[in-house]
Amino acid sequence: AQSVTQPDIHITVSEGASLELRCNYSYGATPYLFWYVQSPGQGLQLLLKYFSGDTLVQGIKGFEAEFKRSQSSFNLRKPSVHWSDAAEYFCAVGVKEYGNKLVFGAGTILRVKS
Amino acid sequence: NAGVTQTPKFQVLKTGQSMTLQCAQDMNHEYMSWYRQDPGMGLRLIHYSVGAGITDQGEVPNGYNVSRSTTEDFPLRLLSAAPSQTSVYFCASSYSPRGGGSGYTFGSGTRLTVV
Repeated sequence: AQSVTQPDIHITVSEGASLELRCNYSYGATPYLFWYVQSPGQGLQLLLKYFSGDTLVQGIKGFEAEFKRSQSSFNLRKPSVHWSDAAEYFCAVGVKEYGNKLVFGAGTILRVKS
Repeated sequence: NAGVTQTPKFQVLKTGQSMTLQCAQDMNHEYMSWYRQDPGMGLRLIHYSVGAGITDQGEVPNGYNVSRSTTEDFPLRLLSAAPSQTSVYFCASSYSPRGGGSGYTFGSGTRLTVV
């Protein structure tokens, strides 16, 4: 069955430090991959997506992610974290089930120390 | 502003009551879906629709009904609320089923508590 694993439930980084959030997926076909961010009490905002082509994708707010097929990974990175980046981050894969749906990871809560 | 609008934002129900969560989008998206979000479980698909008049079950459909009479609206009905349905509900829409183009757009959510 398709699944998405985000191994880190919580991550704390200092403001200005670099960030990497891990995501591994299990899906037999070529995946559509997404990263979403959710601020407290808010909906999900799309940060970036990968469908095909260049495996390094750029997103909003200075985020980027790299698709590595051999590792079934789609890790999210940011070179310098800002306090406003504190939120919960969800990795998701689009799968050809249920009319095509998103399978989400359990999320990673990012805390930023000043 | 264009987007997905969900109402209400908060709701408290008693066990056995019914209610409808409203979802409307103004982007002319064909694909709409409902997810529930529970701590540590990410989001799980309840029901989805690939166009007006077409709906189908997702992975956790029990206790919920949907209809899609127009492209814009996709209400979610709780038939007889149970405490297990306490959750945050998100409606999402997309131009294409796999989230192509601009990807999925999510509403701001409805926080439902069943007592």
